[in-house]
Order: sequence, then structure tokens, then C-alpha cells
Amino acid sequence: DADVTQTPRNRITKTGKRIMLECSQTKGHDRMYWYRQDPGLGLRLIYYSFDVKDINKGEISDGYSVSRQAQAKFSLSLESAIPNQTALYFCATSDGTGTGSKFFGPGTRLTVL
Amino acid sequence: QKEVEQNSGPLSVPEGAIASLNCTYSDRVSQSFFWYRQYSGKSPELIMSIYSNGDKEDGRFTAQLNKASQYVSLLIRDSQPSDSATYLCAVNGPNQAGTALIFGKGTTLSVSS
Repeated sequence: DADVTQTPRNRITKTGKRIMLECSQTKGHDRMYWYRQDPGLGLRLIYYSFDVKDINKGEISDGYSVSRQAQAKFSLSLESAIPNQTALYFCATSDGTGTGSKFFGPGTRLTVL
Repeated sequence: QKEVEQNSGPLSVPEGAIASLNCTYSDRVSQSFFWYRQYSGKSPELIMSIYSNGDKEDGRFTAQLNKASQYVSLLIRDSQPSDSATYLCAVNGPNQAGTALIFGKGTTLSVSS
């Protein structure tokens, strides 16, 4: 079984709809992250959480919100989706050893029409 | 603002050659450096990490770090067509427990057989 799972894997939605992307991990890591990837722009950090009670904004948090329901679950919401939120979204986890390395989920391809 | 710069490529090398990928970073106090490989439509996969000046070798891969010049490179020896992918450089800050990775936009490598 995959260590980091994301649901859904693909989603097409319309402008103005509320969308939730979910991430679960079995690695036992405290730290979880949401990134988006756009062609030519690389990976950009949206939100990150170092434990259940800790939520931090990344460089592009506007238009997004998150919820850390448990150590293993971290959800990303688009309250009112817009076309420029069309992207590939990755959830990632890391442990607390200080190495900073990240384990990525398989990604969610979101299209906003 | 912290930045990580990479040439977007594509970098084209023949099978069996050495591929050299470069990355520069702006935050002088960065402490941890990573190379990820990403196949098209897939999630990034950590292939190398380096924390101190010099070279680190792992199989056909060698990471090189020069903190004084603020660059990190990845050498791939005996390049294979299966190495064709986008390579992402990522940098962490001095407080490894408190910062998230900053990614470059990636260099696309194409290995021809």
C-alpha cells in the first residue's frame, strides 16, 4: 500500500464550486504539506502543518484553506474554485529528524472550468 | 525572498554520457539540499540529499555542494534513457525543523539511445 495517498486523483469542476482534496499517510510523520505544480512554475508551497494544532501559510495560500483532522490526515479546500487554480496538487510528508526531505503523494490533477 | 534557480533545459545527452545539472540558491544560510527526480505526470522522488561542502556519491549519482558559491549540482554518470525526467533542486533553511523546502522550477533531461 502507498505511504501517502491522495483523493481524488483527478477532478474536473466548475468555477465557484467548493472542492476538497484529501491526503492520508501511513508513514507516521508529523509534518504534512500541500504543494501545487504548474508548467514552468515548479512546485509552490500552499500550506504546511507540523502537527495537528499547527497550521502555517505557504507562499501561495490565498484562495485555499486546510484542515488537519488527525496526524495522518491533511485536507486542502478551495472554497470557490477559479480557473487559475487548475494545477497538479501534491501532498507531502516529512519526519522530524531535521533532514527536510519529503515523501510525496501521487498527486491530484484538478481542472476548473 | 528565497530563490532556487535552475536552467529549464532541455538538457540532451547521449546514452552513456555524463549529465550535469546545476542549481543556485539565494539564501546564504541554507543548510540542506536535495535533488528530486520527477517523471512526467508522476510525483517527485528524492534521489540525493547533501548537507556539507564537497561531493556525495550514490551509485551513478553524485551531488556536489559549494556553499561559498551557493550552488549545488547533480552529476549522472553512464546516463540511461530511463534517466530522462525533470530534476528538481530543493533547498531548506537553517532551522530545518521549522522551514519547508523551496523548489527550483526543474531541469528537463533527455537521454537519447
